[in-house]
Order: sequence, then structure tokens, then C-alpha cells
Amino acid sequence: GAVVSQHPSWVICKSGTSVKIECRSLDFQATTMFWYRQFPKKSLMLMATSNEGSKATYEQGVEKDKFLINHASLTLSTLTVTSAHPEDSSFYICSASANRAEQYFGPGTRLTVT
Amino acid sequence: DQQVKQNSPSLSVQEGRISILNCDYTNSMFDYFLWYKKYPAEGPTFLISISSIKDKNEDGRFTVFLNKSAKHLSLHIVPSQPGDSAVYFCAAGPRQGAQKLVFGQGTRLTINP
Repeated sequence: GAVVSQHPSWVICKSGTSVKIECRSLDFQATTMFWYRQFPKKSLMLMATSNEGSKATYEQGVEKDKFLINHASLTLSTLTVTSAHPEDSSFYICSASANRAEQYFGPGTRLTVT
Repeated sequence: DQQVKQNSPSLSVQEGRISILNCDYTNSMFDYFLWYKKYPAEGPTFLISISSIKDKNEDGRFTVFLNKSAKHLSLHIVPSQPGDSAVYFCAAGPRQGAQKLVFGQGTRLTINP
């Protein structure tokens, strides 16, 4: 149980385009989903927290207009990187939680912006 | 300000021996601590957790120790196996509820045959 999937697993896009990443909880209802970003050899940095049906809460320094988060249902959250630039290239990881402190992580999405 | 610190970026251990990974935190409001294991290009996998009301939690080969007065926790893996080679992250957060976790920088554990 507690499986979280992400799609796509990797994506390459051109600078200026937008990319959408999906995060799904496959076997449980996720009341809260989290989006993280990991730079090489660095820790996971929380970008935002989203609860189903409400606006996401962004961490300090994260541009909400650039990283659009939609938590439309209890099993799906999406992160859209708008007008992507090379500095947005990173490993994006989502996690899902059903009102418990244990978060279950997706496999991550490698974004490369050329 | 790094609230959760893993001061050893890497650790190398012989197969069969004990691996000890350390983590320090500064925020006394943290009540719940977790260890995650991560392989390259994959998401972290939950390993074991401990609440602040305990000082030890054991699950198979994995044991987590918590020293609240020192704001220190450690993960012991015994015996270490080659499949344990990965990056280990400690994380801290509240006891209940789906709240954000603060992660350490990670320690890369290599188990040598």
C-alpha cells in the first residue's frame, strides 16, 4: 500500500515553454500533497503544500505564479512549471499524506530545460 | 538556517558490520522524526520513525535512537548489506497531522562487500 506515482519520470523542454507534472496517490486518499525540489547532492527543499480543494501554500522564495499547483482531487495534484528556464532544471518530487506524519514519496520527475 | 543537519555527507561500512548514521536538529518544537532511504533518480522511501515520547524504535535491522536533550538522533543498521547502499535522509516534523517535514542534507552510505 501507500503507492505514489509521478508522470512523466523525465522531461526535456525548451526554454519558455510550460511543463506539467502529475502526482497521484494510487491506493489511498491524500488529503495533503507536498512538492519538493532536489538539486544535485542537496537536500529535498519543500516548495509548497497543497490540500485538496484549496489553494497551495508556498514556501518563502518560491514563486507561486511560476510554479502552479492544482490539487483537484484526493488522488491527484499537478505542478506546472510555467515559462521554464534552464535554472528550473531539477529533480521534482511529490509526496502524499493521509493526515499522518508519514509522507509517501513519488519516484520523482527529472526536468531538463534547454 | 539548517534546522536538521546531517554532518557526514558520506559513510563507508564493511558488509555485515553496523552502520550508524547521525542527525542533529535545532528546533525544540520537533516531536516526530523519520528516516528515509533514497536511490538515485528515485523518490525517498520511508524507513522508520520515532516519536519524542520514545528514545528507541526498532524494526528488523533498523533501529532509531533519539536523545532529546542533545537534540540528536541516529539510525543503526545491523548487519549492513550491499542493498543498503543509498542516500539516507533524516526528517523532522510535528507528531500528528500532515505537516511539512524538514529534511537533513543526506548521508551517502556505501556498503563494501
